[in-house]
Amino acid sequence: AQSVSQHNHHVILSEAASLELGCNYSYGGTVNLFWYVQYPGQHLQLLLKYFSGDPLVKGIKGFEAEFIKSKFSFNLRKPSVQWSDTAEYFCAVTSGYNKLIFGAGTRLAVHP
Amino acid sequence: NAGVTQTPKFQVLKTGQSMTLQCAQDMNHEYMSWYRQDPGMGLRLIHYSVGAGITDQGEVPNGYNVSRSTTEDFPLRLLSAAPSQTSVYFCASSPSGSLVSTEAFFGQGTRLTVV
Repeated sequence: AQSVSQHNHHVILSEAASLELGCNYSYGGTVNLFWYVQYPGQHLQLLLKYFSGDPLVKGIKGFEAEFIKSKFSFNLRKPSVQWSDTAEYFCAVTSGYNKLIFGAGTRLAVHP
Repeated sequence: NAGVTQTPKFQVLKTGQSMTLQCAQDMNHEYMSWYRQDPGMGLRLIHYSVGAGITDQGEVPNGYNVSRSTTEDFPLRLLSAAPSQTSVYFCASSPSGSLVSTEAFFGQGTRLTVV
């Protein structure tokens, strides 16, 4: 079965620091990859997605992610975080045609 | 356009009680699904549906039933609530009957406590 691993469960950064959150998945076939964000008390919102083409994907709010097929990875990056980026971030991968499998999530706290 | 609507937002149940969590979408999406979110475990798929009349199990289906009689609605039934079902439940929908090259849209969640 498909699985998704997020390496960091909790990350604490100061404003303006750079961010990289790791995500690895287990499936070797064609995948669709996503990063979702959940702000405190809110539902999940799509941050960015990769279906095909350019492996460097740009999303909302200055986030980007790079798909590296050989490493089964889809890491999320942001050059300079803001206090408003405090949230929980979830990596997700399609498993077959009908299932979207999530990682355990990474809680990011950004201090002013 | 309301998107994905879940009711109720909060619910407290006693062990052994049954209840139905409602999910409705007004985007004419074929695919709908239910997840539960627990600390440190991310979101786990309970059940999903690729269209009206078609449902299937996800990762953690035990203790839950679903049906899909219309495109718009996908209720989740807890047959006999247990404390282990205390969680936040999210409903999601997606435009096509498969998840290939489409994204999922999430509801606001239902926070369920079983005492």
